[in-house]
Amino acid sequence: QVQLQESGPGLVKPSQTLSLTCTVSGGSISSGSYYWSWIRQPAGKGLEWIGRIYTSGSTNYNPSLKSRVTISVDTSKNQFSLKLSSVTAADTAVYYCARWGGISSYWYFDLWGRGTLVTVSS
Amino acid sequence: DIQMTQSPSSLSASVGDRVTITCRASQSISSYLNWYQQKPGKAPKLLIYAASSLQSGVPSRFSGSGSGTDFTLTISSLQPEDFATYYCQQSYSTPPAFGQGTRLEIK
Repeated sequence: QVQLQESGPGLVKPSQTLSLTCTVSGGSISSGSYYWSWIRQPAGKGLEWIGRIYTSGSTNYNPSLKSRVTISVDTSKNQFSLKLSSVTAADTAVYYCARWGGISSYWYFDLWGRGTLVTVSS
Repeated sequence: DIQMTQSPSSLSASVGDRVTITCRASQSISSYLNWYQQKPGKAPKLLIYAASSLQSGVPSRFSGSGSGTDFTLTISSLQPEDFATYYCQQSYSTPPAFGQGTRLEIK
């Protein structure tokens, strides 16, 4: 079955760029009508959607993060990636990649990676 | 942006209890409402989509209802594995916002 796995540095210095990759295994990232998303969760807090990408390269970002976020896709590697620039301690969180799919016009996050903790600290 | 508000923020209950969690949207979202369950250290898991449709593999003791701005998640008879945090999430518009979560604890 399809699985998602996040990877990337667990520690990023303030003002630098956070970079994460999500690898899709067990199926093609290009099959089906799915968007591929990033979501984060600070310790003990709720979930915040960061953005998503379609395999065509079309993206949508959370307005609260839009100026600092870039999401890209590499279909040849079955991966999509997140870059978040100018990070501060407030960006410390568990970062999840997730699949946004649905039935008819009803969309939902039906598949999630296990998450990866990224700490912003000098 | 649409804001989602859950109540209560936390809830204590016993095995076998019937539990209801409420989610309110800041504007009408029709039935574009999903519910997720998250256990400590784990990713969220989809329970309910389109307000009342049970995701495949989810036990039938979970049910959802509502439309417009007010929604509920009901667990008919709590099982030990149901103690977790529950989140609602709207899919009516971008960004797809989550509620702040309801932590369900053992009494």
